[in-house]
Amino acid sequence: TQLLEQSPQFLSIQEGENLTVYCNSSSVFSSLQWYRQEPGEGPVLLVTVVTGGEVKKLKRLTFQFGDARKDSSLHITAAQPGDTGLYLCAGYSGAGSYQLTFGKGTKLSVIP
Amino acid sequence: DSGVTQTPKHLITATGQRVTLRCSPRSGDLSVYWYQQSLDQGLQFLIQYYNGEERAKGNILERFSAQQFPDLHSELNLSSLELGDSALYFCASNHGTAYNEQFFGPGTRLTVL
Repeated sequence: TQLLEQSPQFLSIQEGENLTVYCNSSSVFSSLQWYRQEPGEGPVLLVTVVTGGEVKKLKRLTFQFGDARKDSSLHITAAQPGDTGLYLCAGYSGAGSYQLTFGKGTKLSVIP
Repeated sequence: DSGVTQTPKHLITATGQRVTLRCSPRSGDLSVYWYQQSLDQGLQFLIQYYNGEERAKGNILERFSAQQFPDLHSELNLSSLELGDSALYFCASNHGTAYNEQFFGPGTRLTVL
């Protein structure tokens, strides 16, 4: 079973601070996705990274896929209360894979 | 709004009972996925259907079953319910191509008393 470990599990920061959350595995993933989930709603895709070493930016969010495609990070600059939510990483493994494996998530609270 | 609908929103039932959760995928999507989300286990993949056929199976208990109908809506049947089955159940859909983004519904919160 391929596992994705996310850290930290919980993070509470002040508005304007920067933060980084991590997603690690001992297995190689063909692609990795980051989702954000708000209370009472389903996860919503933020980004997909496919190539080892890839960096993608989405406004104040920067996503990086490790060179070996076993880990990823999400960095948020100048966090805002609207960034509050559960951040989930999820990976597809193997050629032609249809099954997503999710980490347990990082619960982020940004305090105004 | 992802375009995926799930009913009911909330469900409260007793141990030993059977329930059916319903999912309508986004227009044009052929594949439906079911997930269970609990506090200790996170989001767990249960099963995937593509155009009416089962395509992949995850950690789905034998007490649980699912099907996808010709109109592409899907149902997840949970029987002989136990307290530990209390969780959020999500349905997601996409075109079914490998590595695709999955679009999640709002979920059904199941409480077993």
